[in-house]
Amino acid sequence: DGGITQSPKYLFRKEGQNVTLSCEQNLNHDAMYWYRQDPGQGLRLIYYSQIVNDFQKGDIAEGYSVSREKKESFPLTVTSAQKNPTAFYLCASRTGRWFYGYTFGSGTRLTVV
Amino acid sequence: AQTVTQSQPEMSVQEAETVTLSCTYDTSESDYYLFWYKQPPSRQMILVIRQEAYKQQNATENRFSVNFQKAAKSFSLKISDSQLGDAAMYFCAYIAGANSKLTFGKGITLSVRP
Repeated sequence: DGGITQSPKYLFRKEGQNVTLSCEQNLNHDAMYWYRQDPGQGLRLIYYSQIVNDFQKGDIAEGYSVSREKKESFPLTVTSAQKNPTAFYLCASRTGRWFYGYTFGSGTRLTVV
Repeated sequence: AQTVTQSQPEMSVQEAETVTLSCTYDTSESDYYLFWYKQPPSRQMILVIRQEAYKQQNATENRFSVNFQKAAKSFSLKISDSQLGDAAMYFCAYIAGANSKLTFGKGITLSVRP
């Protein structure tokens, strides 16, 4: 079945360490997105990519980095510069038919201690 | 910039009753789509319903329907015959064009009383 796979489901890291969250899709979607979800904040866009080897900053990109070397993969690195990294992270993708909305992965809960 | 506002953080409904979740948005675009997503305790985002701005007819999907008031920029979700499985967080979202990004409200937590 086609879908988006985010791994791991739970991730724990020590403060000051970089950590990479995985997002893989087999839907043949061109565009991929990373959102951060905090209680009472809704979903906020971190980075997005509409085509391989190209990506743009979203609303809260500081302290994060991404790459898009393959169509299927859009990993997110949470760097030590991110001041409050503990959150739930959601990856999404869409077809060229943007009006159908996005397909989401099941998310990664990152806890930094 | 487009904004989506969900002013009620929590709501509760009795099983089998009807509940309406409110959403307003702000945009200068004329062609856009609106969505309601459901996020159950599993945290998987599920598309519930979508509405095209150019369509006057309100969208319906089984027990879910919307009240789309374009002039008022209002997009509420009505859940009829509420079930225990409807308990979740619901997000209103907006997008306008291929270069636009899906913008979400802050969400509302719906609880269903047995």
